Amino acid sequence: KAGVTQTPRYLIKTRGQQVTLSCSPISGHRSVSWYQQTPGQGLQFLFEYFSETQRNKGNFPGRFSGRQFSNSRSEMNVSTLELGDSALYLCASSRADRYGYTFGSGTRLTVV
Amino acid sequence: AQTVTQSQPEMSVQEAETVTLSCTYDTSESDYYLFWYKQPPSRQMILVIRQEAYKQQNATENRFSVNFQKAAKSFSLKISDSQLGDAAMYFCAYRSAGSQGNLIFGKGTKLSVKP
Repeated sequence: KAGVTQTPRYLIKTRGQQVTLSCSPISGHRSVSWYQQTPGQGLQFLFEYFSETQRNKGNFPGRFSGRQFSNSRSEMNVSTLELGDSALYLCASSRADRYGYTFGSGTRLTVV
Repeated sequence: AQTVTQSQPEMSVQEAETVTLSCTYDTSESDYYLFWYKQPPSRQMILVIRQEAYKQQNATENRFSVNFQKAAKSFSLKISDSQLGDAAMYFCAYRSAGSQGNLIFGKGTKLSVKP
């Protein structure tokens, strides 16, 4: 059974650019969540999608957005990149019940 | 708002010995879930063990077990017969039982295993 797949694994962008990260959940998982991990702030929740609808959002500026497609694949977009956006972005998927999340290996974003 | 605290930034254990990682949390909810995740240098977060708050019995997964004290809001992880492959960052996480519950993580504990 394939796990959660995130692409790309590494990304280097220039300040002011925008970036799109992709996440393919485990087959049958309808919930996809995104987290930002930095040494200073730790793991912070960005947003969660379920059946193409955003049902929960963390405390991040509007530059961070996401969407989910009908096949449950999800993308997150960060516009007008800032140096502080450099982080590991983790995607996690879950069945629509009370089980834990399965995480991908993340996308390491570096903003220069 | 819920918070999760891991008071031990780093821990060390001898191979084959037992180690306990601490986690406390703060919540006013009665129904929730608690998790321990492991993050090795490969970066992928791996679910180690989960606990449902309404279950009094402590969860166990092979060499991993928890001591869940609901009244004290404590959720410690015990690793028995430690192995070199157990070396990683360990994160304690909380999730509300509602459909819009997201994971709230502690800052993590870096576990080293000495041969």
